[in-house]
Amino acid sequence: EEQVVESGGGLVQPGGSLRLSCAASGFTFWRFWMAWVRQPPGKGLEWVANIKEDGSQMSYGDSVKGRFTISRDNAENSVYLEMNSLRAEDTAVYYCAREFFNHREASYYMDVWGKGTTVAVSS
Amino acid sequence: TQMTQSPSSLSASVGDRVTITCRASQGSGYYLNWYQQKPGKPPRILIHAASTLDSGVPSRFSGGGSGTHFTLTISSLQAEDFATYYCQQTFSLPYTFGQGTRLEI
Repeated sequence: EEQVVESGGGLVQPGGSLRLSCAASGFTFWRFWMAWVRQPPGKGLEWVANIKEDGSQMSYGDSVKGRFTISRDNAENSVYLEMNSLRAEDTAVYYCAREFFNHREASYYMDVWGKGTTVAVSS
Repeated sequence: TQMTQSPSSLSASVGDRVTITCRASQGSGYYLNWYQQKPGKPPRILIHAASTLDSGVPSRFSGGGSGTHFTLTISSLQAEDFATYYCQQTFSLPYTFGQGTRLEI
């Protein structure tokens, strides 16, 4: 079964840091872009960041640029999200997802999602 | 690219036909995906490349559009379809979601 499992969430004070992890299994990890998406309580989805198959290219959403860093370890089948200078508005469930590239359509979509890990930023 | 869905919420009944609209602030080709999310669950991909149903998605779902205007239609609502629906553009980074449409009974 193809799956991803997030971990590392928790309660952190404003200005603090946290590192999220996502462990993948059941598929050839190094062949896929991976992404993080978050969802604040009672609100919609926000795309946070993604990383290329070999880790050579990363992109970030405007609200996290300069504060968050995405990385991956293909030997460990894992992707990470390092979050610094955390703010109350970063409080959310953070999902890890696989970005699948459909060659016939030449399009990307997120087809494997984890259950999420909760980050709460509060004093 | 900013994605705007309408309506933000929609009340309907089993058997109804409903359409949700997603507009992009910039042309997005056909690089538009639709996801369904139920409370406490992660999103599920329904439609990719504007109109291609993902594997296992019932045929009552359909998608259309290109450029800046896209639609998701459910031809005959079933009880399990009551959920929140999101569009997402993957034409240009950063990929962005619409704010969601909550479909209620």
